[in-house]
Amino acid sequence: EVQLLESGGGLVQPGGSLRLSCAASGFTFSSYAMSWLRQAPRKGLEWVSTISGSGAGTYYADSVKGRFTISRDNSENTLYLQMSSLRAEDTALYYCAKRPTLSGFGDPFDVWGQGTMVTVSS
Amino acid sequence: DIQMTQSPSSLSASVGDRVTITCRASQSISNYLNWYQQKPGKAPKLLIYTTSSLQSGVPSRFSGSGSGTDFTLTISSLQPEDFATYFCQQTYSTPTFGPGTKVDIK
Repeated sequence: EVQLLESGGGLVQPGGSLRLSCAASGFTFSSYAMSWLRQAPRKGLEWVSTISGSGAGTYYADSVKGRFTISRDNSENTLYLQMSSLRAEDTALYYCAKRPTLSGFGDPFDVWGQGTMVTVSS
Repeated sequence: DIQMTQSPSSLSASVGDRVTITCRASQSISNYLNWYQQKPGKAPKLLIYTTSSLQSGVPSRFSGSGSGTDFTLTISSLQPEDFATYFCQQTYSTPTFGPGTKVDIK
């Protein structure tokens, strides 16, 4: 069974940092692009970042560019999101999601984790 | 970024009803349009990709159509488990989502 399990969320002060992890199982992790998305409380869905299967290609939403870094460890089947210079508007439930091809271009998000909550507040 | 709109924002329907949700893109997105279902406290679930392809395991009462800027999701006969919020999403360029359509019980 394909599964994604996020962890690492929590309460952080504005300007602080946090690293999210997503443990993948049930599929050949290195063969698929992976993404992070977020959903603020009672708000819509926002794509945050995508990384290709090899890790060579990384892409970011303008709202997080320069502050967030996506990475992956294909030997450990784990996806990461390093978040720094956090702002109140980054408060959201963060999901990791799989894309059905190596590059991810034009693809939907076909498997989602259950999410990990990040709250930025003093 | 391409803006996505949905109508209606919410609707009330009965079990067995035919339900249609509309999604519009601010510019042509070819057929790069996907639909997701989200239930309270759960992650979104992919229902339909590239406008009309049914994701594995999704019941055939769900269908999608459209091209360019205008798309629809149809549920042919609403079932109790279909009461949820539905989002459209484009992947023609930087992915963006519609605001959602909440389907609840009449």
